[in-house]
Amino acid sequence: DAGVIQSPRHEVTEMGQEVTLRCKPISGHNSLFWYRQTMMRGLELLIYFNNNVPIDDSGMPEDRFSAKMPNASFSTLKIQPSEPRDSAVYFCASSTQYEQYFGPGTRLTVT
Amino acid sequence: AQSVTQLDSQVPVFEEAPVELRCNYSSSVSVYLFWYVQYPNQGLQLLLKYLSGSTLVKGINGFEAEFNKSQTSFHLRKPSVHISDTAEYFCAVSEGNAGNMLTFGGGTRLMVKP
Repeated sequence: DAGVIQSPRHEVTEMGQEVTLRCKPISGHNSLFWYRQTMMRGLELLIYFNNNVPIDDSGMPEDRFSAKMPNASFSTLKIQPSEPRDSAVYFCASSTQYEQYFGPGTRLTVT
Repeated sequence: AQSVTQLDSQVPVFEEAPVELRCNYSSSVSVYLFWYVQYPNQGLQLLLKYLSGSTLVKGINGFEAEFNKSQTSFHLRKPSVHISDTAEYFCAVSEGNAGNMLTFGGGTRLMVKP
């Protein structure tokens, strides 16, 4: 299995631009998680999907952030407009029962 | 609500020495416990997990952890560390009635020195 796939691996954008991060979970996994990791705040859960339905989005920072899961094999996290404080590593993880499997992350830099 | 505390933010240790990374949790229900490792510029990788049964759990790369229900702890140990073990280690907890959502500790940076 290829594991969780995230793209792009690195993204540099200017403040105010729209950013879309993509995730392909492991085939057969029915749960998907988006996390953000920064030095200041550590690892934060942004949103959690189960069977393509958002279950808990209480970690989404504000309305500039949105996430979708149109089918079992694809999810996006969109930031519009982006701000410098959004700079972080964004991880996607998928799960079937107990443990979560993480992707390699997308390093986002907003200048 | 559950919480996870990793008491040490950094642990420096010399190569071939033993190491223990501490993890304590709070929960009012039965839990599943995990340790993840994050190497520089990589995602989190599962080291080991406790779901049920024997309280001593063995994982990859020679690591092991012991679940202590009375002390609500799940400390990670390795008898002899290598330079390549230098990484960030995260303890995580899932409550039995919360599906597969995980609550992570703040992480412990293990720094192995030659």
